[in-house]
Amino acid sequence: GESVGLHLPTLSVQEGDNSIINCAYSNSASDYFIWYKQESGKGPQFIIDIRSNMDKRQGQRVTVLLNKTVKHLSLQIAATQPGDSAVYFCAERRPSGSRLTFGEGTQLTVNP
Amino acid sequence: NAGVTQTPKFQVLKTGQSMTLQCAQDMNHNSMYWYRQDPGMGLRLIYYSASEGTTDKGEVPNGYNVSRLNKREFSLRLESAAPSQTSVYFCASSGHSGRAADTQYFGPGTRLTVL
Repeated sequence: GESVGLHLPTLSVQEGDNSIINCAYSNSASDYFIWYKQESGKGPQFIIDIRSNMDKRQGQRVTVLLNKTVKHLSLQIAATQPGDSAVYFCAERRPSGSRLTFGEGTQLTVNP
Repeated sequence: NAGVTQTPKFQVLKTGQSMTLQCAQDMNHNSMYWYRQDPGMGLRLIYYSASEGTTDKGEVPNGYNVSRLNKREFSLRLESAAPSQTSVYFCASSGHSGRAADTQYFGPGTRLTVL
């Protein structure tokens, strides 16, 4: 399953499928990007990050892809599990300082 | 190693009351942040502290004050609570100050309702 566009808030996938969550960022000079996972009633949890000098980074079952040409970031989750159900946020760090700017998030639901 | 802790977890206030939200981190991080999270608006920065002894306004500072008590602790105060401040508040910390801030680690949040 794949989310597309800036404002698609939900993505529903079957257990075992691969998930792709997309994020469009706003500033072409942003140099650092992070994906967070937020489960219901909890704080955001770091998943994976990538710097602007890279276009791909892999973690355990997750891959982040960065396309600077179109200012697009994606999070790929392999073999999605029910425990992956959560809201996923991207964040960008703009070059003017240390602050992060967060997207609104995508709700991922994994169906057994 | 508890990471980032916040107290209280829940709070209900009446309009005009004051309260302080507490945050502490045990990761020896220099920078600390306060965010609010509202439905459909993502995380918005209220105040941040790049290092001990410094604080700066974020995107939505009105109605709030902060104190960086020491390297570990960063508190957020509502002097006269308003219903518009009903939200979930998150504290975060990161390992570097200034331009080189790395990943921010978040606490579990405080759910505040102002009646």
